[in-house]
Amino acid sequence: AQSVTQLGSHVSVSEGALVLLRCNYSSSVPPYLFWYVQYPNQGLQLLLKYTSAATLVKGINGFEAEFKKSETSFHLTKPSAHMSDAAEYFCALGAQKLVFGQGTRLTINP
Amino acid sequence: EAQVTQNPRYLITVTGKKLTVTCSQNMNHEYMSWYRQDPGLGLRQIYYSMNVEVTDKGDVPEGYKVSRKEKRNFPLILESPSPNQTSLYFCASSHDRGFSEAFFGQGTRLTVV
Repeated sequence: AQSVTQLGSHVSVSEGALVLLRCNYSSSVPPYLFWYVQYPNQGLQLLLKYTSAATLVKGINGFEAEFKKSETSFHLTKPSAHMSDAAEYFCALGAQKLVFGQGTRLTINP
Repeated sequence: EAQVTQNPRYLITVTGKKLTVTCSQNMNHEYMSWYRQDPGLGLRQIYYSMNVEVTDKGDVPEGYKVSRKEKRNFPLILESPSPNQTSLYFCASSHDRGFSEAFFGQGTRLTVV
């Protein structure tokens, strides 16, 4: 069975601080992993994607994620948060279909 | 511009009144799907389609129908909506079922009273 768990439904950081959003997965086959972002009143858009080419994946808007097979994790980071990063973030596992985590709402404090 | 278009964006309806949410994509994708988004549950797949005239149930199909008569269109039909179908709905399209980027519509917020 495939599943995705995002630790923390709500994360709050100060502007300029490190952003860390946690994602753990369970998969019986080599995983394709995605991070999507959903801004208020919009659909989801792709931030980045892991396809086994490199364990550190760089995405848009300064985000990156590191695939760690031993920890079955794919955490999303950004060195310095910006007010425009406030959104909901979804980790997803792709194989027979896309399986989404529960989502993490990121709030940026001025 | 590559896009998935859903209509309407907002809909309030009464229990039992049939409704259709339309979805159209301009990327010639074979795979399309419908999701519902509920707080704390993430996105759950309702139905998906691998190609024209090929549809199948996702994780939460009860109370919904779909059709795929043309490659670009994938409407979601609620024959007899109930309040527990109040949710935010997304249509998505992609080249395949889980390995490539999925493109999402803007969403349809449905309220059933």
